[in-house]
Order: sequence, then C-alpha cells, then structure tokens
Amino acid sequence: DTEVTQTPKHLVMGMTNKKSLKCEQHMGHRAMYWYKQKAKKPPELMFVYSYEKLSINESVPSRFSPECPNSSLLNLHLHALQPEDSALYLCASSNGGAGNGYTFGSGTRLTVV
Amino acid sequence: TQLLEQSPQFLSIQEGENLTVYCNSSSVFSSLQWYRQEPGEGPVLLVTVVTGGEVKKLKRLTFQFGDARKDSSLHITAAQPGDTGLYLCAGGADRGSTLGRLYFGRGTQLTVWP
Repeated sequence: DTEVTQTPKHLVMGMTNKKSLKCEQHMGHRAMYWYKQKAKKPPELMFVYSYEKLSINESVPSRFSPECPNSSLLNLHLHALQPEDSALYLCASSNGGAGNGYTFGSGTRLTVV
Repeated sequence: TQLLEQSPQFLSIQEGENLTVYCNSSSVFSSLQWYRQEPGEGPVLLVTVVTGGEVKKLKRLTFQFGDARKDSSLHITAAQPGDTGLYLCAGGADRGSTLGRLYFGRGTQLTVWP
C-alpha cells in the first residue's frame, strides 16, 4: 500500500459544528503532517507528528486540534471554524531523511458556512 | 519569510515549447523535491535530489540541484497539454527529532495550450 487515504473528500460544516478529518497510511512512515492549501497557493504547514508525537504546531488556532492515535492514523478535529478556514486540507506522510519525499493524500475540501 | 523563491509564478506556453522553472534560496537544504499538483488533488512527488550538482531525468523532465544545495531547476522539453498543473519545489530539512520538514516555494502554474 503506497497511498495516504483521507476522508471525507468533501465537507460542509456550520460555524458551530464539530467535525473531524481522518488520514491513514500503511507505509510505515514515521512522520505525518497536516497542511492547509488555498486556491492557487502552496500548501501551508499546520502540524507535524514525528514518531506519533506532536513536534511542530505552526501557531495554528486552537479551533484546529490534531490527534495521532497510532503510527498509521492522523486526525484533525475541527470546532467553531470561520468561513476563512475554508480550504483544501492535505495530509502527508514521510520517513524523513534527505532522500525521502512526501506522499500526500488527495485532501479534504472543507467549506465553512 | 519565504525560504524558497520560485519563478516564474505563471507560465502559459504552446505545445512543443521548452520551459524552465527556477527555485532559489539563501539556505542550504538536505534535499530538494519537486511536486506536481492538479486541481482538487494532493501534490504528487516527481523527484528528489540530494547531492549538490545532481541531475535527474524523468522522460521530458530534467531536474538539477545546485552545487551549493541552495537552488534547483526543472526543465521540460517539448511541453504537452498533459503537463499543465501547479509545480511546487520544496526544500527538505531534518532537524533533531523533526522528520522531513519541507519548505515550499510559492509554485508555478503552468498551462500548455494545444
């Protein structure tokens, strides 16, 4: 299995809702990432998990809460989002090391209404 | 602060033309990676270069890593409409316990017209 699987593919939520994005990989990668991407812009790093521990939080608002239940799973819990949080949310994994690239999922297209 | 400066930001060319995209930085990276992204999908890794001066070829695509490991270029020969997409360069930096931190350039939106 050489894929990163993200669910759901599309999500519409109200500003008072609570929802979660899920990400799964079975490549044995030791690092997992959440990125946010606006249209025609590069991905912006949100969180990095190394060896299942949160190692980077890029000053993300607390309405986004990451969770890494095990080495294969990564969740992003959403609560009280704003319309400007609407974006493509990408999960990626890698083994780190200079020669290893990221494997990205297809993303969750989030719309906050 | 943008660690990686990517140029041009937009490129619109005719089928059959050649093009080069540049990625420059004042920082040294352990690797330089190139991704291609289509609308609504995640970026797909094209190549990783790790050695200064390294050149890699992938069919009509040629990737080069600068001798000082601060810059890279992507050259496409005889572009085709299927090459259309957002091309992203990304510098890799492993520091301490943080694995595989990537710094992305702003991207080059390439459109190839038939």
